[in-house]
Amino acid sequence: QKEVEQNSGPLSVPEGAIASLNCTYSDRGSQSFFWYRQYSGKSPELIMSIYSNGDKEDGRFTAQLNKASQYVSLLIRDSQPSDSATYLCAVNARGSYIPTFGRGTSLIVHP
Amino acid sequence: GAVVSQHPSRVICKSGTSVKIECRSLDFQATTMFWYRQFPKQSLMLMATSNEGSKATYEQGVEKDKFLINHASLTLSTLTVTSAHPEDSSFYICSARVRSGPSYNEQFFGPGTRLTVL
Repeated sequence: QKEVEQNSGPLSVPEGAIASLNCTYSDRGSQSFFWYRQYSGKSPELIMSIYSNGDKEDGRFTAQLNKASQYVSLLIRDSQPSDSATYLCAVNARGSYIPTFGRGTSLIVHP
Repeated sequence: GAVVSQHPSRVICKSGTSVKIECRSLDFQATTMFWYRQFPKQSLMLMATSNEGSKATYEQGVEKDKFLINHASLTLSTLTVTSAHPEDSSFYICSARVRSGPSYNEQFFGPGTRLTVL
């Protein structure tokens, strides 16, 4: 069974700090990786997608993928209180377009 | 781009009635749409995968006769909760998959429908 693991948190960081969110997955053949942000009472919103090893940066967000170690992470620089949300990691196995979602990590950015 | 709408955003109904939820991809064609359910403070639960022009594929434990899914066009999928009961009260969210291009396999979610069954 394909699994995607995330620490449920909450992860609490001060405003302006770097928030580091981690995700591990069990299927070594996985090929597509996504980070979503979900505010309370709202639907998920795509933040980043990453498909190859290394880093991918978009504004304050950096996704890091290490397929050998089977983990993907999301860094949020200069964290803001508005970043407080649940962050979901999603992984597609090789040849599959159906993602497996982690349970999410709750991030709290305090002023 | 990649906007998904969902209607209605909130519905309250009596036990035993049926409720239809619409999911539309507004600026792209979605051959595949997904339906999720989320209970408070819990993770997303995939209910079914909907492919245009074919029958939906339901996840284990999801009653296909209770949750009717129709994906009649490349931009519209509907979920009908038949004979709704209070335990069906939940947040229902659809998503649409980008089939090709640089956003390959990315999913874009609708805003969700909050169903309350009295």
